[in-house]
Amino acid sequence: GAVVSQHPSWVICKSGTSVKIECRSLDFQATTMFWYRQFPKQSLMLMATSNEGSKATYEQGVEKDKFLINHASLTLSTLTVTSAHPEDSSFYICSARAIGAGTSGRTDTQYFGPGTRLTVL
Amino acid sequence: GENVEQHPSTLSVQEGDSAVIKCTYSDSASNYFPWYKQELGKGPQLIIDIRSNVGEKKDQRIAVTLNKTAKHFSLHITETQPEDSAVYFCAAGFGNEKLTFGTGTRLTIIP
Repeated sequence: GAVVSQHPSWVICKSGTSVKIECRSLDFQATTMFWYRQFPKQSLMLMATSNEGSKATYEQGVEKDKFLINHASLTLSTLTVTSAHPEDSSFYICSARAIGAGTSGRTDTQYFGPGTRLTVL
Repeated sequence: GENVEQHPSTLSVQEGDSAVIKCTYSDSASNYFPWYKQELGKGPQLIIDIRSNVGEKKDQRIAVTLNKTAKHFSLHITETQPEDSAVYFCAAGFGNEKLTFGTGTRLTIIP
């Protein structure tokens, strides 16, 4: 139980285009989803926290107009990288936190997706 | 905010030996401490976690200890196997708030 999927697993795009990444909790409902980016051989850097039905909370230094986050349902959050540039190339990972008892996930645990490797040419 | 330090950054151990990774945190309000294993090109996988009302937790070859007074917690892997080779991250958080991650430890098991 507590499986999180991401789509696509990798994407290559041209500079200036926008890319959407989906994060889904497959067997539990998630009140909160988190988006991270990770550069090679580095730790996970939290970009933003999204709660279902409300605006995302962005970490300091993260451009909200560039990284658009939508959490339209309890099982889906999307990250759109707008006008992508080579410096946006990175490994993007989402995580989901379960809602309440009786679901596959525990409310105090973040379950991570497999990540999406974005390469901007 | 919370700050988590993790040591060592790299660790090599002979297969069958034990491995220990240590983390310290700064915010005494933190009460949840998970450990994640990340293999190359994949997302982090939760391997064990501990809450502040417990001093030690064990799951087969993996154990975590927590010292709230000193604000540090450790991951212990016994009888290491080649498949234990990966990057391990510790994290600290409070309640349902966000997690702060350590810088990671690259563990290599030498056959």
